[in-house]
Amino acid sequence: DAEITQSPRHKITETGRQVTLACHQTWNHNNMFWYRQDLGHGLRLIHYSYGVQDTNKGEVSDGYSVSRSNTEDLPLTLESAASSQTSVYFCASSGSYGEIGTDTQYFGPGTRLTVL
Amino acid sequence: KQEVTQIPAALSVPEGENLVLNCSFTDSAIYNLQWFRQDPGKGLTSLLLIQSSQREQTSGRLNASLDKSSGRSTLYIAASQPGDSATYLCAVEYGNKLVFGAGTILRVKS
Repeated sequence: DAEITQSPRHKITETGRQVTLACHQTWNHNNMFWYRQDLGHGLRLIHYSYGVQDTNKGEVSDGYSVSRSNTEDLPLTLESAASSQTSVYFCASSGSYGEIGTDTQYFGPGTRLTVL
Repeated sequence: KQEVTQIPAALSVPEGENLVLNCSFTDSAIYNLQWFRQDPGKGLTSLLLIQSSQREQTSGRLNASLDKSSGRSTLYIAASQPGDSATYLCAVEYGNKLVFGAGTILRVKS
């Protein structure tokens, strides 16, 4: 069965370190998204991609970067981790094969990141 | 700014009760509205998707309605069960991007 996976599931790091969170989907979806979830804020969009070599900034992109070299993967990099980036990170994908507005997003299980 | 608000933030009901969760959004130029369920420590699972041209969608004991003109949606859960306990998230799609509400934490007591 097609799925979307994230690794690691839990990560503890120190302020100033570079961290990369992996996201891999086997749906063959064009669109991939990264969100962070914090208490009281719901999910907020960090970066998204509509295809290979395409990346776009979301609502809370400062301090994060992504690259899309193939269809299946969209790694999220924290260039210099800060305590404010302690959060739960979710990756999602969607196909957009039909008319826009008809396809839901499929979410990974999340990565809990703690920056000390 | 596109904002989504969910009321109430938390709800506790006895088993068997019918209940309504509310979602409101500021920008009515939506492609669709979706309701998700999130269990503790887990990802999101899509429950219902209402396209902008539709008024409601039903799946089992769940019914979601959409009123674009007033910027509102409701999720109706009939005959609630303890297994329905979870966080319910409303999300509005604007051109392939989802804007989420903060969620309603639902507890169904047996």
